[in-house]
Amino acid sequence: QVQLQQWGAGLLKPSETLSLTCVVYGGSFSGYFWNWIRQPPGKGLEWIGEINHGGSHSGRTNYNASLKGRVTISEDTSASQVSLKLSSVTAADTAVYFCAIVDATGGATYFDYWGQGTLVTVSS
Amino acid sequence: QSVLTQPPSVSGAPGQRVTISCTGSSSNIGAGYNVHWYQQLPGTAPKLLISDNTNRPSGVPDRFSGSKSDTSASLAITGLQTEDEADYYCQSSDDSLGGYVFGSGTRVTVL
Repeated sequence: QVQLQQWGAGLLKPSETLSLTCVVYGGSFSGYFWNWIRQPPGKGLEWIGEINHGGSHSGRTNYNASLKGRVTISEDTSASQVSLKLSSVTAADTAVYFCAIVDATGGATYFDYWGQGTLVTVSS
Repeated sequence: QSVLTQPPSVSGAPGQRVTISCTGSSSNIGAGYNVHWYQQLPGTAPKLLISDNTNRPSGVPDRFSGSKSDTSASLAITGLQTEDEADYYCQSSDDSLGGYVFGSGTRVTVL
């Protein structure tokens, strides 16, 4: 059974850097695109960005333009995990952050599997 | 503000049929990109409900169906059940933004 497990700090102060990690158990998703998506409390979903993990374009990233300059998604191929960093956070970055996988190898553009979500709160 | 527009809420009695619209533009749905639908129960991650406009993943009841036309898409729930109370989101890709976009979300209430 495929399971995405994610973890990271849940409480940050303004101007700090958000850092989350996602790992998959029960399957190999080499060549797939690993994504990060967030959801502010009581609001809708926002796509943050993606990375091609372990495929022919391994390490290739694509980010939401509204967050460019602050967001970095990286991979650790030896550990089959992907990380998200978001710098200079403000209260507006308070949200539940999800990792999710897209099987772009088959041309899919939907999110097959999701992590459990991590609530990150930014407060002074 | 979401790129794809959905009604904030829809409601219906058990057994009824409800539909949720997802309106986009020429840079996303109208550009030919597929539309996907997710169901999100409170406190949980979204779950894929419909992929590629009309396809139901294994395990999704056939009372859920999707359609797409021009710059919009729709999700229909027939034979509404109490366990269908949830938030529903559409999702597609967008040429202008160069990535994935979500709808604003619709809360379904079973009366």
